[in-house]
Amino acid sequence: QLVLTQSPSASASLGASVKLTCTLSSGHSSYAIAWHQQQPEKGPRYLMKLNTDGSQRKGDGIPDRFSASSSGAEHYLTISSLQSEDEADYYCQTWGTGVKVFGGGTKLTVL
Amino acid sequence: EVQLVESGGGLVKPGESLRLSCAASGFSFSNAWMNWVRQAPGKGLEWVGRIKSITDDGTAVYAAPVKDRFTISRDDSKNTLFLQMDSLKVEDTAVYYCTTDRFWGQGTMVTVSS
Repeated sequence: QLVLTQSPSASASLGASVKLTCTLSSGHSSYAIAWHQQQPEKGPRYLMKLNTDGSQRKGDGIPDRFSASSSGAEHYLTISSLQSEDEADYYCQTWGTGVKVFGGGTKLTVL
Repeated sequence: EVQLVESGGGLVKPGESLRLSCAASGFSFSNAWMNWVRQAPGKGLEWVGRIKSITDDGTAVYAAPVKDRFTISRDDSKNTLFLQMDSLKVEDTAVYYCTTDRFWGQGTMVTVSS
């Protein structure tokens, strides 16, 4: 079964960088992964997608501070130069056979 | 500018029905595969289902918890996506979002309670 696993929480200081992890379940190492941000009391917003060929597609207006990478079954969202508005829930998401699968989300606190 | 505007949410009793709509603009709706995603209070995102574009056969698939109770349809002449929800359960209480792969609506709240 295709499952995405995220740590429930993460924290980092204002101005620092943070790397959020999303792990694909065993036997599912080659999937495109999209990342979505949900700020408090708001709807989700698409950040970017990392394709299996390494190409990326960002959402409209997403700053260069946000980047995606992967290593095997592990996918990462790196946010540099953290700002207060980056405090949010971050969800990874992929596509199974006809279905979308979301990770459980990581709540990022900016200290 | 892409816009997805959901409507139709509200308070219903268990076993009742509700129909959500999503008005789309700013992109080629007829060519888009559209999804519904929900979020229960305090919980994460849960995919509900998807409908292909008519040119890609227009079929819909559903997540297990809603299969046989929910139906997704579309009216390309009105750039509108629908979610018919029947036999609603308390656990269907959530904000329901209309989404493409890259854009999200603002959501509409559905509360199922006796």
